[in-house]
Amino acid sequence: AQSVTQPDIHITVSEGASLELRCNYSYGATPYLFWYVQSPGQGLQLLLKYFSGDTLVQGIKGFEAEFKRSQSSFNLRKPSVHWSDAAEYFCAAFTGGGNKLTFGTGTQLKVEL
Amino acid sequence: AAGVIQSPRHLIKEKRETATLKCYPIPRHDTVYWYQQGPGQDPQFLISFYEKMQSDKGSIPDRFSAQQFSDYHSELNMSSLELGDSALYFCASSFSPSGGYTDTQYFGPGTRLTVL
Repeated sequence: AQSVTQPDIHITVSEGASLELRCNYSYGATPYLFWYVQSPGQGLQLLLKYFSGDTLVQGIKGFEAEFKRSQSSFNLRKPSVHWSDAAEYFCAAFTGGGNKLTFGTGTQLKVEL
Repeated sequence: AAGVIQSPRHLIKEKRETATLKCYPIPRHDTVYWYQQGPGQDPQFLISFYEKMQSDKGSIPDRFSAQQFSDYHSELNMSSLELGDSALYFCASSFSPSGGYTDTQYFGPGTRLTVL
Protein backbone atom coordinates (compact mmCIF):
# COMPACT_ATOMS: atom_id res chain seq x y z
CA ALA A 1 0.00 0.00 0.00
CA GLN A 2 1.14 3.53 -0.70
CA SER A 3 2.26 5.25 2.47
CA VAL A 4 4.27 8.09 3.90
CA THR A 5 6.16 7.60 7.15
CA GLN A 6 7.55 10.20 9.49
CA PRO A 7 9.50 8.26 12.11
CA ASP A 8 9.84 11.12 14.57
CA ILE A 9 6.67 12.20 16.37
CA HIS A 10 8.36 14.92 18.40
CA ILE A 11 11.67 16.71 17.94
CA THR A 12 13.18 19.38 20.16
CA VAL A 13 16.04 21.58 18.99
CA SER A 14 17.68 24.69 20.35
CA GLU A 15 17.25 27.94 18.51
CA GLY A 16 20.08 28.37 16.04
CA ALA A 17 20.74 24.65 15.77
CA SER A 18 20.32 22.72 12.55
CA LEU A 19 17.24 20.64 11.87
CA GLU A 20 16.45 17.52 9.89
CA LEU A 21 12.99 15.99 9.76
CA ARG A 22 12.73 12.55 8.25
CA CYS A 23 10.23 11.32 5.71
CA ASN A 24 10.10 7.96 3.94
CA TYR A 25 7.65 6.87 1.29
CA SER A 26 6.46 3.56 -0.02
CA TYR A 27 5.22 3.80 -3.59
CA GLY A 28 5.64 1.70 -6.69
CA ALA A 29 6.83 4.71 -8.66
CA THR A 30 8.43 7.92 -7.51
CA PRO A 31 5.63 10.04 -6.12
CA TYR A 32 5.31 13.79 -6.09
CA LEU A 33 6.52 14.85 -2.64
CA PHE A 34 5.63 17.78 -0.45
CA TRP A 35 6.35 19.27 2.93
CA TYR A 36 3.64 21.30 4.66
CA VAL A 37 3.80 23.15 7.97
CA GLN A 38 0.89 23.66 10.32
CA SER A 39 0.95 26.12 13.20
CA PRO A 40 -1.52 25.53 16.04
CA GLY A 41 -5.10 26.06 14.89
CA GLN A 42 -3.91 27.07 11.44
CA GLY A 43 -4.09 25.69 7.96
CA LEU A 44 -1.41 23.83 6.05
CA GLN A 45 1.23 25.97 4.40
CA LEU A 46 3.31 24.56 1.58
CA LEU A 47 7.03 24.69 2.32
CA LEU A 48 8.38 22.98 -0.79
CA LYS A 49 7.72 20.27 -3.33
CA TYR A 50 9.57 17.78 -5.50
CA PHE A 51 8.22 16.64 -8.84
CA SER A 52 11.36 15.74 -10.78
CA GLY A 53 14.78 17.06 -11.69
CA ASP A 54 17.24 18.42 -9.15
CA THR A 55 17.01 16.28 -6.04
CA LEU A 56 17.75 19.18 -3.70
CA VAL A 57 14.82 21.56 -3.59
CA GLN A 58 14.62 24.91 -1.91
CA GLY A 59 11.53 26.15 -0.16
CA ILE A 60 10.26 29.07 1.81
CA LYS A 61 11.51 30.19 5.22
CA GLY A 62 15.00 28.83 4.55
CA PHE A 63 13.95 25.19 4.32
CA GLU A 64 15.30 22.67 1.84
CA ALA A 65 14.67 19.00 1.20
CA GLU A 66 16.63 16.30 -0.53
CA PHE A 67 15.05 13.47 -2.49
CA LYS A 68 16.98 10.22 -2.28
CA ARG A 69 15.51 7.51 -4.47
CA SER A 70 17.80 4.79 -3.09
CA GLN A 71 16.53 5.45 0.42
CA SER A 72 12.94 6.33 -0.53
CA SER A 73 13.41 9.45 1.54
CA PHE A 74 12.60 13.13 1.31
CA ASN A 75 14.08 14.70 4.42
CA LEU A 76 13.50 18.32 5.34
CA ARG A 77 16.40 20.43 6.57
CA LYS A 78 17.13 23.88 7.87
CA PRO A 79 20.61 25.04 8.84
CA SER A 80 19.54 27.34 11.69
CA VAL A 81 16.17 27.05 13.38
CA HIS A 82 14.23 30.07 14.62
CA TRP A 83 11.77 30.02 17.50
CA SER A 84 8.99 30.81 15.03
CA ASP A 85 9.62 27.47 13.29
CA ALA A 86 7.92 25.64 16.15
CA ALA A 87 4.97 23.90 14.50
CA GLU A 88 3.87 20.56 13.13
CA TYR A 89 5.42 19.42 9.89
CA PHE A 90 3.75 17.03 7.49
CA CYS A 91 5.34 15.16 4.65
CA ALA A 92 2.86 14.25 1.91
CA ALA A 93 2.80 12.53 -1.46
CA PHE A 94 0.70 11.58 -4.43
CA THR A 95 1.41 9.70 -7.63
CA GLY A 96 0.93 11.10 -11.09
CA GLY A 97 -2.61 10.61 -12.29
CA GLY A 98 -3.94 10.30 -8.77
CA ASN A 99 -4.90 13.44 -6.98
CA LYS A 100 -5.30 12.64 -3.33
CA LEU A 101 -2.50 13.51 -0.95
CA THR A 102 -1.37 10.91 1.51
CA PHE A 103 0.12 12.47 4.61
CA GLY A 104 2.59 11.21 7.13
CA THR A 105 1.57 11.35 10.77
CA GLY A 106 3.47 14.58 11.28
CA THR A 107 6.45 15.68 13.36
CA GLN A 108 5.90 18.18 16.14
CA LEU A 109 8.86 20.55 16.34
CA LYS A 110 9.64 22.33 19.59
CA VAL A 111 12.30 25.04 19.66
CA GLU A 112 14.08 25.79 22.91
CA LEU A 113 15.32 29.33 23.42
CA ALA B 1 -1.92 36.49 -3.59
CA ALA B 2 -5.42 35.14 -3.25
CA GLY B 3 -5.77 32.02 -1.15
CA VAL B 4 -8.36 29.35 -0.59
CA ILE B 5 -11.29 30.65 1.42
CA GLN B 6 -13.32 28.47 3.73
CA SER B 7 -16.44 29.36 5.61
CA PRO B 8 -17.38 29.24 8.31
CA ARG B 9 -14.13 29.08 10.23
CA HIS B 10 -15.80 27.59 13.28
CA LEU B 11 -19.05 25.67 13.57
CA ILE B 12 -20.77 24.14 16.55
CA LYS B 13 -23.56 21.65 16.00
CA GLU B 14 -25.56 19.18 18.03
CA LYS B 15 -25.65 15.46 17.32
CA ARG B 16 -27.92 14.49 14.46
CA GLU B 17 -27.89 18.01 13.04
CA THR B 18 -26.73 19.00 9.56
CA ALA B 19 -23.76 21.14 8.58
CA THR B 20 -22.64 22.74 5.34
CA LEU B 21 -19.03 23.77 4.79
CA LYS B 22 -18.06 26.02 1.91
CA CYS B 23 -14.83 26.33 -0.01
CA TYR B 24 -13.80 28.98 -2.52
CA PRO B 25 -10.71 27.92 -4.49
CA ILE B 26 -7.91 30.13 -5.66
CA PRO B 27 -9.01 31.94 -8.85
CA ARG B 28 -8.47 29.83 -12.00
CA HIS B 29 -8.02 26.65 -9.96
CA ASP B 30 -10.31 23.95 -11.30
CA THR B 31 -9.82 21.15 -8.76
CA VAL B 32 -11.04 21.10 -5.18
CA TYR B 33 -10.20 18.59 -2.46
CA TRP B 34 -11.65 17.99 0.98
CA TYR B 35 -9.68 16.58 3.89
CA GLN B 36 -10.61 15.78 7.47
CA GLN B 37 -8.12 16.14 10.30
CA GLY B 38 -9.15 14.67 13.62
CA PRO B 39 -7.50 15.79 16.88
CA GLY B 40 -3.83 14.88 16.82
CA GLN B 41 -4.23 13.15 13.46
CA ASP B 42 -2.89 13.71 9.98
CA PRO B 43 -5.30 14.98 7.32
CA GLN B 44 -7.32 12.26 5.62
CA PHE B 45 -8.61 12.67 2.08
CA LEU B 46 -12.39 12.71 1.72
CA ILE B 47 -13.27 13.64 -1.85
CA SER B 48 -12.18 15.72 -4.82
CA PHE B 49 -13.75 17.42 -7.83
CA TYR B 50 -12.31 18.40 -11.18
CA GLU B 51 -14.33 20.64 -13.46
CA LYS B 52 -17.43 20.05 -11.33
CA MET B 53 -17.21 16.28 -11.60
CA GLN B 54 -16.17 14.00 -8.76
CA SER B 55 -12.64 12.88 -9.53
CA ASP B 56 -11.67 10.76 -6.55
CA LYS B 57 -13.22 9.50 -3.36
CA GLY B 58 -11.61 8.56 -0.10
CA SER B 59 -12.94 7.58 3.28
CA ILE B 60 -16.00 9.82 3.17
CA PRO B 61 -19.00 8.59 5.17
CA ASP B 62 -22.26 8.04 3.32
CA ARG B 63 -23.76 10.75 5.54
CA PHE B 64 -21.53 13.27 3.79
CA SER B 65 -21.97 14.59 0.28
CA ALA B 66 -20.20 17.25 -1.70
CA GLN B 67 -20.37 19.03 -4.99
CA GLN B 68 -18.53 21.62 -7.02
CA PHE B 69 -20.53 24.42 -8.60
CA SER B 70 -20.21 26.27 -11.90
CA ASP B 71 -18.09 28.99 -10.25
CA TYR B 72 -15.79 26.20 -8.94
CA HIS B 73 -16.67 26.72 -5.31
CA SER B 74 -17.47 23.55 -3.41
CA GLU B 75 -19.72 22.60 -0.53
CA LEU B 76 -19.43 19.68 1.85
CA ASN B 77 -22.77 18.67 3.31
CA MET B 78 -22.76 16.62 6.47
CA SER B 79 -25.93 15.09 7.88
CA SER B 80 -26.81 13.14 11.02
CA LEU B 81 -23.71 14.51 12.70
CA GLU B 82 -21.93 12.32 15.20
CA LEU B 83 -19.50 13.20 17.97
CA GLY B 84 -16.74 11.60 15.93
CA ASP B 85 -17.25 14.10 13.14
CA SER B 86 -15.65 16.78 15.29
CA ALA B 87 -12.54 17.71 13.36
CA LEU B 88 -10.80 20.32 11.27
CA TYR B 89 -12.01 20.18 7.69
CA PHE B 90 -9.63 21.45 5.07
CA CYS B 91 -10.33 22.41 1.53
CA ALA B 92 -7.50 22.57 -0.97
CA SER B 93 -7.41 23.66 -4.58
CA SER B 94 -5.12 23.13 -7.54
CA PHE B 95 -4.91 23.80 -11.24
CA SER B 96 -4.95 20.75 -13.48
CA PRO B 97 -4.20 21.99 -17.00
CA SER B 98 -4.51 18.68 -18.76
CA GLY B 99 -7.07 17.00 -16.56
CA GLY B 100 -4.92 14.00 -15.75
CA TYR B 101 -1.98 15.87 -14.27
CA THR B 102 -2.46 17.35 -10.85
CA ASP B 103 -0.45 20.27 -9.62
CA THR B 104 0.32 21.42 -6.11
CA GLN B 105 -2.56 21.60 -3.67
CA TYR B 106 -2.96 24.81 -1.70
CA PHE B 107 -4.88 24.57 1.51
CA GLY B 108 -7.40 26.85 3.11
CA PRO B 109 -7.37 27.70 6.82
CA GLY B 110 -9.90 25.01 7.62
CA THR B 111 -13.30 24.86 9.29
CA ARG B 112 -13.28 23.60 12.83
CA LEU B 113 -16.44 21.59 13.42
CA THR B 114 -17.44 20.72 16.95
CA VAL B 115 -20.32 18.32 17.47
CA LEU B 116 -21.85 18.36 20.94
